[in-house]
Amino acid sequence: DAGITQSPRHKVTETGTPVTLRCHQTENHRYMYWYRQDPGHGLRLIHYSYGVKDTDKGEVSDGYSVSRSKTEDFLLTLESATSSQTSVYFCAIRPGQLDYGYTFGSGTRLTVV
Amino acid sequence: TQLLEQSPQFLSIQEGENLTVYCNSSSVFSSLQWYRQEPGEGPVLLVTVVTGGEVKKLKRLTFQFGDARKDSSLHITAAQPGDTGLYLCAGNFGNEKLTFGTGTRLTIIP
Repeated sequence: DAGITQSPRHKVTETGTPVTLRCHQTENHRYMYWYRQDPGHGLRLIHYSYGVKDTDKGEVSDGYSVSRSKTEDFLLTLESATSSQTSVYFCAIRPGQLDYGYTFGSGTRLTVV
Repeated sequence: TQLLEQSPQFLSIQEGENLTVYCNSSSVFSSLQWYRQEPGEGPVLLVTVVTGGEVKKLKRLTFQFGDARKDSSLHITAAQPGDTGLYLCAGNFGNEKLTFGTGTRLTIIP
């Protein structure tokens, strides 16, 4: 429908292991975002990208890195997963103007045990 | 860091009743958006308001942007079970990304 998919949809991993989440879009949009959603905190921005190889940090970027080697893919990596990174992760894309709003993926539920 | 406060955090009402939820900030928004999120899915955009004092209607939903562009409200008339969900406001503070509120979780009881 919206041309944005996240994979995997669910993942359980062990503390200390690296984890990569993928966001894929078919809309050719310039801007892509990674958010995490936790009870009581709402959606918090982790990292975002404004073009291939152009990324910047959000408010909760510690412990996360991103890469964007192609317009359509935005990868989020947890370098060494911790229990505090258990969350639901959402990717979002937007066309040119911010006022047009975001289109979100369906999310990845990550559990770190 | 700009903060958006939404109230109430939880709201449970009977079908057919009216309700209002609020979004407030200490900073001025360039624009503000409202999203609705259902379980297991990402948020979906409902509306964008840009001008202070602006009112937009979407069927039974009425969105208002405060004159000073620091607050917004969402009013639902004759609520239906299909209105159940998490309502999120998101502010554009002029820096190419949105800041989200913590949301109002609405339950409509048939």
